[in-house]
Amino acid sequence: GQQLNQSPQSMFIQEGEDVSMNCTSSSIFNTWLWYKQDPGEGPVLLIALYKAGELTSNGRLTAQFGITRKDSFLNISASIPSDVGIYFCAGQLRRGSGNQFYFGTGTSLTVIP
Amino acid sequence: EPEVTQTPSHQVTQMGQEVILRCVPISNHLYFYWYRQILGQKVEFLVSFYNNEISEKSEIFDDQFSVERPDGSNFTLKIRSTKLEDSAMYFCASSEQGPSYEQYFGPGTRLTVT
Repeated sequence: GQQLNQSPQSMFIQEGEDVSMNCTSSSIFNTWLWYKQDPGEGPVLLIALYKAGELTSNGRLTAQFGITRKDSFLNISASIPSDVGIYFCAGQLRRGSGNQFYFGTGTSLTVIP
Repeated sequence: EPEVTQTPSHQVTQMGQEVILRCVPISNHLYFYWYRQILGQKVEFLVSFYNNEISEKSEIFDDQFSVERPDGSNFTLKIRSTKLEDSAMYFCASSEQGPSYEQYFGPGTRLTVT
């Protein structure tokens, strides 16, 4: 299957620090989405990106759709304890007449108060 | 705020049995999806559904799987003869527009096959 590689795999940071994570692929994606998943729950959409180069913010979160359409990053500023969770990137890829949807491998974030 | 709901939250079944997982998508959404997540791994796309038919499916979605929208509100995933490796969290999602747009996930059904 399609690989979306996320890095880092895990992060341990102090409360108040900024966080940056990214997602790369060898394929060109039409859409990038960022989700957060808490243990035992479904992914919750954070940010959606539709155009190459697009930079979008949602509160303390900022994400960008890479110019090459093969990557995206997510930044979290001034982290707080409730930012703890697993962050997944997801991308939509056109294959033939249809669309396939792929999730990244996840970045586990721990915020130390 | 409208949300996707799923039942049951946890299903335990014996290998070889059929299971049906149920989802109620957000009411004005037109596109529906099933995903699975094996414990500790990434979320994997299974199938998308629009206009009462499958619009896309992954290689995971083989003949053992089927989906149905039996009425105006429910969206179901059936696994005909469960295998041990089907044990996972199964998430339903829906979107107002096509799969390129925001998909909203339900809380998931944990399927345990023994």
